[in-house]
This record gives sequence, C-alpha cells and structure tokens, in this order.
Amino acid sequence: DTGVSQDPRHKITKRGQNVTFRCDPISEHNRLYWYRQTLGQGPEFLTYFQNEAQLEKSRLLSDRFSAERPKGSFSTLEIQRTEQGDSAMYLCASSPTSGSSSEQYFGPGTRLTVT
Amino acid sequence: TQLLEQSPQFLSIQEGENLTVYCNSSSVFSSLQWYRQEPGEGPVLLVTVVTGGEVKKLKRLTFQFGDARKDSSLHITAAQPGDTGLYLCAGVTTDSWGKLQFGAGTQVVVTP
Repeated sequence: DTGVSQDPRHKITKRGQNVTFRCDPISEHNRLYWYRQTLGQGPEFLTYFQNEAQLEKSRLLSDRFSAERPKGSFSTLEIQRTEQGDSAMYLCASSPTSGSSSEQYFGPGTRLTVT
Repeated sequence: TQLLEQSPQFLSIQEGENLTVYCNSSSVFSSLQWYRQEPGEGPVLLVTVVTGGEVKKLKRLTFQFGDARKDSSLHITAAQPGDTGLYLCAGVTTDSWGKLQFGAGTQVVVTP
C-alpha cells in the first residue's frame, strides 16, 4: 500500500508529558499538511510543508507544538507539556505539486488522549 | 467558526432512498473537495470540483459546484448501508497555499 501512513495510531499520555507523531506521505508528493480534528468537527489546518520548508502555521499551533520535515520526506509533529485540550485526532495529508495540487490524501490519523 | 456550513448535520434514511447534503459559504473557492470519513479513520477523497457550475458523477453520487464557486451539493441516489459515514466538504480559497477549510460534516446513516 502506497498511501499516507501515520504512527502511532493511538496514544494515551498523562498531562504534562511530551508526545511525537510521525507521518510518511505518498512518496512522490512534495506537499505535506497537518490537521487536527475534534469530536463533531471537521479537520482544522495546523501547518504545511513544501518539501522541507514549513511555509504556513495556524494560530492553533501554539509554541508547545513543533513540526519538522527534515529531508522533505517524512514529517514529525511534537507536542510538549500536553494539556487535556490537546486530545484530538491528528491527521496528516499529502498532495503533489503538479496537477490539481489541492487534492489531498489523508492518513489514518493518530488519536491522542491526554489524561 | 467554520468557513463552510454543511447541512443537515445528521441524516438518517432507509436503504433505497435518496439524499442531498449541502455545503455553503460566503467565500469563493478555487476548488472544493468532498470526503467521506469512517469512525477512527482519516477522510477519503471522493471528488474535486474546480469550475463553477460543474457536475461530476461517481456511480450513485452526484456532486455539483455552484456557479459562483461558493457552494456545493452532494446527492446520493438509492442509498445503500455502505454509504454510511461522515461526509465532509472542504474548500481551497484563492489566497491560500492549498490548505483545506473544512465544514463540520454531515453524518449519514443508511439502515437496511
């Protein structure tokens, strides 16, 4: 399967701990996006990479959040000093630069629960 | 506040019935996507529309993009239990890098 993969699928952590999620996009896709989805809502944009460059960050991304895409391939999203309000599904998506670049393909998500 | 308003929020119908989901905004979009999401999974892309007035068909699903590129609809004919899921519309505004602005979704339940 050559779709977007995310790891882990589920993460339970205690408040105040740090967590890191990984996303492996579709191999030929240059663009990578992170979204967050809470219950009853659609996904909300967090940040966007074009290759290794982080080009946009949402105001939702407080300074406890950091994302990287060091070699323009996989990406990581780290949350420091987690809070209960961070509990959500974290989704990664990728898209090609050419063609209809707005078509984004999502991974299965990482479900974070902060206790 | 979400840029895209979806209606209804919840729809429960019996197998064989038709249904329509609406997605409205005051903003103009360069493209609009429809996704379906199952519990605990990521959204799966169904279709992308880019031209005002465009109509696309995917088997029993018909997607329409409004002439002004501010709204869209999804119509399902003869719904089946396998159509059950959360339907999300998402638009790309002309001033963005391609980031998607999602509606809150319409939960569709089709009972046998």
